[in-house]
Amino acid sequence: GQSLEQPSEVTAVEGAIVQINCTYQTSGFYGLSWYQQHDGGAPTFLSYNGLDGLEETGRFSSFLSRSDSYGYLLLQELQMKDSASYFCAVRSAGNNRKLIWGLGTSLAVNP
Amino acid sequence: IAGITQAPTSQILAAGRRMTLRCTQDMRHNAMYWYRQDLGLGLRLIHYSNTAGTTGKGEVPDGYSVSRANTDDFPLTLASAVPSQTSVYFCASSETETDTQYFGPGTRLTVL
Repeated sequence: GQSLEQPSEVTAVEGAIVQINCTYQTSGFYGLSWYQQHDGGAPTFLSYNGLDGLEETGRFSSFLSRSDSYGYLLLQELQMKDSASYFCAVRSAGNNRKLIWGLGTSLAVNP
Repeated sequence: IAGITQAPTSQILAAGRRMTLRCTQDMRHNAMYWYRQDLGLGLRLIHYSNTAGTTGKGEVPDGYSVSRANTDDFPLTLASAVPSQTSVYFCASSETETDTQYFGPGTRLTVL
């Protein structure tokens, strides 16, 4: 089957760095995306990795290793507003190229 | 209108009633999607449309139908609502079927 695994919860303090891992098992692979969702809100796109390596966008970075079927989202200089759920999503051939979503990681940033 | 809008914002519905959730986008995106989000189950794709005039089934299509008569609108219909369809429903769109998805604000539906 096709699946994604990510931790259910992560806690960190303001100013810290946190890494949210995502491992996937899919038939075919076309890229790993990350989305952020605040409580009561809609998911919003954060980053995309189609090739191995690191993509940086401000305080957020995302990494992909296709050989390890693994990626992570790195959040630096954490702020209270970063408290949210973070979803990894994979586009795979086995799902008519539609996104397969992880169950999300709830990040709590404490003062 | 800017982006994607959904209506209603929330709805309480009696079991057995018919309900249509509306979704409209003004970005001229070709692809549109309907997801449901339940606690502990993440986002699950109900139906999708890669372009106007075509639709496809997602992961959990039973009990739902969609139509895509034009580029902008993608309504989701529950023909006879059941309590298990209580959920938050998100509509999304993307320029093509492989591009970044943009989500509407969601509809919170409760079926009693």
